[in-house]
Amino acid sequence: GAVVSQHPSWVICKSGTSVKIECRSLDFQATTMFWYRQFPKQSLMLMATSNEGSKATYEQGVEKDKFLINHASLTLSTLTVTSAHPEDSSFYICSARISGGREGRYEQFFGPGTRLTVL
Amino acid sequence: AQSVTQLDSHVSVSEGTPVLLRCNYSSSYSPSLFWYVQHPNKGLQLLLKYTSAATLVKGINGFEAEFKKSETSFHLTKPSAHMSDAAEYFCVVRGTGGFKTIFGAGTRLFVKA
Repeated sequence: GAVVSQHPSWVICKSGTSVKIECRSLDFQATTMFWYRQFPKQSLMLMATSNEGSKATYEQGVEKDKFLINHASLTLSTLTVTSAHPEDSSFYICSARISGGREGRYEQFFGPGTRLTVL
Repeated sequence: AQSVTQLDSHVSVSEGTPVLLRCNYSSSYSPSLFWYVQHPNKGLQLLLKYTSAATLVKGINGFEAEFKKSETSFHLTKPSAHMSDAAEYFCVVRGTGGFKTIFGAGTRLFVKA
């Protein structure tokens, strides 16, 4: 199957700093990428959907100025957590979608996740 | 509208006994259904998927799931649990035309020796 990578796999930062997380589709082009957030022992919550070359669409309650998403190419999307605070500590997972197949079905592949800890 | 409900927050089985993880869905359209597994501090791994072909879907590691439209269910089963199956399992629904992917709350599977 298609591979999605994330970098870094874990990061620790001080409160007030910004952190950038990269998501790459390694062997396919992804017109759409998704960013999820997962709190301990909880399910994944969609934060935003990004399409290459256009602005991301944020889910209700997600601050777009705090979670900056850039999808500059068909293989790379970045999530920048600006002025991070301890409550932003979480597991962030990206997903990339490739189109195709019958009936308009889409394949979605997930990255391994990035553990962010804000001190 | 779409939704997915995992009926058990946690399931505990003994090694070698069958596993049943329950999932019910609702969808206005013909859905695609998935089961993912997540081991601690790891990303998601696709176990299997249903996309309107055979109703009984076989996945990796001996897991399978049956799509039952009349019951709006997509339960995950395995004949014999292994210690390495201990993880979090997510049932996921996605409609056609690029509708959002909806995750269930997850079911934590414990496997006792």
